[in-house]
Amino acid sequence: AQSVTQPDIHITVSEGASLELRCNYSYGATPYLFWYVQSPGQGLQLLLKYFSGDTLVQGIKGFEAEFKRSQSSFNLRKPSVHWSDAAEYFCAVGGILNTDKLIFGTGTRLQVFP
Amino acid sequence: EPEVTQTPSHQVTQMGQEVILRCVPISNHLYFYWYRQILGQKVEFLVSFYNNEISEKSEIFDDQFSVERPDGSNFTLKIRSTKLEDSAMYFCASSVHDSLNQPQHFGDGTRLSIL
Repeated sequence: AQSVTQPDIHITVSEGASLELRCNYSYGATPYLFWYVQSPGQGLQLLLKYFSGDTLVQGIKGFEAEFKRSQSSFNLRKPSVHWSDAAEYFCAVGGILNTDKLIFGTGTRLQVFP
Repeated sequence: EPEVTQTPSHQVTQMGQEVILRCVPISNHLYFYWYRQILGQKVEFLVSFYNNEISEKSEIFDDQFSVERPDGSNFTLKIRSTKLEDSAMYFCASSVHDSLNQPQHFGDGTRLSIL
């Protein structure tokens, strides 16, 4: 069955440090790939997406993600984290079996220390 | 920037009661979705809706659930007889197109608490 794995449930970093959140997917073909962020009490905001082409995609708020086909991964990165980045981050895949539903990972909670 | 709005933000209901969650999608969007997130768990797809019909539904979306677009702006999720396990955050989403080149935009969610 198709699945999305985010191995890190909780990550803590210091403000200004670099960040990488991991995401792996299980699917035969290359799906559409997304990262969403959920701040406390808020909905899901799209950070970035990958469909095809350049495997390094830029998103909002200084985030980027790299698609690696050989590793079935789509890791999210930010070179310098700000305290306002503290939130829950969800990786999602879409386009499975030609449907438009999104399949989400379990999320990674990011905590940022000053 | 236009956004998806959901009401109420928090709904408390007795088990067995009917509940209707409301969503106003972005005005030029044609594809509508409901997802839910049980506390501490992942966001799960419930149903997609287009042209006044359900396009796809998950195993979670059983006969107790229904969706409707009663007018040109609202998109509702009804749970006919709520159970304790229906307690969750329910997210509405909308999209211009189902191709996923146009991403789904999510509302802030309705927290449903079943007592």
